[in-house]
Amino acid sequence: EAGVVQSPRYKIIEKKQPVAFWCNPISGHNTLYWYRQNLGQGPELLIRYENEEAVDDSQLPKDRFSAERLKGVDSTLKIQPAELGDSAVYLCASSLVGGLDQETQYFGPGTRLLVL
Amino acid sequence: QKEVEQDPGPLSVPEGAIVSLNCTYSNSAFQYFMWYRQYSRKGPELLMYTYSSGNKEDGRFTAQVDKSSKYISLFIRDSQPSDSATYLCAMKRYKLIFGAGTRLAVHP
Repeated sequence: EAGVVQSPRYKIIEKKQPVAFWCNPISGHNTLYWYRQNLGQGPELLIRYENEEAVDDSQLPKDRFSAERLKGVDSTLKIQPAELGDSAVYLCASSLVGGLDQETQYFGPGTRLLVL
Repeated sequence: QKEVEQDPGPLSVPEGAIVSLNCTYSNSAFQYFMWYRQYSRKGPELLMYTYSSGNKEDGRFTAQVDKSSKYISLFIRDSQPSDSATYLCAMKRYKLIFGAGTRLAVHP
């Protein structure tokens, strides 16, 4: 079974430029998460989707970050404009809430963003 | 004060050693306690989770939760070089809150 797929794996941009990350969750998983992991820190939740609905976006900096999950499957996270402090690894995870294994979140490999 | 505190290490041990990794937390509302392993340039992978105080064993790994002390531990027996990774504790009520991770190096 394929895991969570993310692209691109690496991205280098100049500050004030836009950037977008894409995530394809595990097939059948209804819940999708975007996390940001700064160097030497644990992941921090940015947004959680249940199907197409964003049920927790309290930590998403809405002035520059946006996300969407069309048709309740793939998701895109966008930053516009990027700032130096946005340099981090952006992780996508998915889970099947309501299933036997609902507490297990499966993480993708992440997109490593460097803003110059 | 962070909700979850974890010593970042690094921790370096010889192969075969018993490793003890620990976290403390401040929010007594946490219900689930988890340990994730993260290899370099990979996403975190769930190792174990537990709901209650006490011990849970899975092969060479034992997770221990003491809710009265707000303290959780992960023990690795007979550590192997392949165990070299960053270990993240995480706790959940409505969402996962991660510790900063402890870097572990097991040398042959």
